[in-house]
Formats: sequence, structure tokens, C-alpha cells
Amino acid sequence: GQQLNQSPQSMFIQEGEDVSMNCTSSSIFNTWLWYKQDPGEGPVLLIALYKAGELTSNGRLTAQFGITRKDSFLNISASIPSDVGIYFCAGQPGNTPLVFGKGTRLSVIA
Amino acid sequence: GAGVSQSPSNKVTEKGKDVELRCDPISGHTALYWYRQRLGQGLEFLIYFQGNSAPDKSGLPSDRFSAERTGESVSTLTIQRTQQEDSAVYLCASSLSWESVGELFFGEGSRLTVL
Repeated sequence: GQQLNQSPQSMFIQEGEDVSMNCTSSSIFNTWLWYKQDPGEGPVLLIALYKAGELTSNGRLTAQFGITRKDSFLNISASIPSDVGIYFCAGQPGNTPLVFGKGTRLSVIA
Repeated sequence: GAGVSQSPSNKVTEKGKDVELRCDPISGHTALYWYRQRLGQGLEFLIYFQGNSAPDKSGLPSDRFSAERTGESVSTLTIQRTQQEDSAVYLCASSLSWESVGELFFGEGSRLTVL
């Protein structure tokens, strides 16, 4: 089936630093989404991208839908302790259910 | 309730036993999804229901897995003759409709441990 390559697998950063993670696919996606999962919780939608080239911000989060429609990145500026969690990219290649990456585990050191 | 509700939150079972996992979607949401999350992995699609249409079962890993949904309400995921490899968190999500692309609301999951 479809696979998304998400990197890095994990990150350890100092509070206040910026964070960048990305996701790539071997095939074209119509939609890119970024979710965050806290321990013991289900994933929560952070940002949704629907058009190639689209750049969207949500507070300290910024995400872009790559021009080739095969990649997306998520940036977090000025990280804070509550940013800790697992970030998943997800994409929809067509009229099919969402495909998820394996996640980026973020740890923030105060 | 305001969100997607799943039960049980934790289930420990012996290999070979059957288990049932339940999901109550958000009221009014016509689309319902089941995903599986193995330790340290991403979310693996299992099955999807949209209204009264035939479910998309393309993600079910074997015939030991099945799911039902009553109308646009509760869904039950059943795993027969459980194996240790079935150990995972099973996540249910709902959305207003299939067109609500990506706007999935997830429950907290049911953690299944097969001994």
C-alpha cells in the first residue's frame, strides 16, 4: 500500500528552539495533514493542506504542501514543553482513507 | 458525549481468545474509521464506514478481523482467535462525512495486549 516517509524519527531540542520535520511520498497526494498525539490520547489535527504550494500557519506552527504534491513539512517555532509528543503526517492519495507516516517523536528539554 | 468514545481502554487477553472493541462516534458523524497503531509505529488503516454504503474493508489484515456498524452510530471491531501480533492500540475516528477530508476526530484508543 501507500507509504509515507517521515523524518526525523525522533528529536531532542532545547526549549525555545525551532523544529522542522518533513514527510515524503513516492506518489502524488491530494491532501496533506499534520496530527499530534499526546501519550494515551488519539491524534489531534493540527494543520490541513489542500493545494500544492499552500503554506498555512496555526500559531507557532507552519506547514507547506510541496509543489510536486509528494512532500510536506511542518515547522514549530520557539518550542515549549507542551510541544512534546508524536507528530504524524498523513496524506490522501485519492478517494481512499488517510495514510499515516510513522511519526516524529519530539522531546523538549527545559 | 462531546468526543469519540472507545471501550475498553485496556484489554489483556490470552492467545486464541476473541475480543470485541467498541466505538461511539461523535453524534452526527456519518463516517467512521478504525486504525491500528503498533508500538512505535504509525497508524495502519483497517476499515471505514460511510453512512449506509458498503464498508471499505481493504485494510483488514486477515479474516480474523471484522467490524460492524449499526446505522450511523456504534461500531464494533472483533478480532477472533487473537495472536500476539495483534497487540496494539486500536484507534477509532469519525468525521462529518467522507468529504470532510482529514478532519478526523480520534478516540483515545483501546490498548490490546495478547499474552
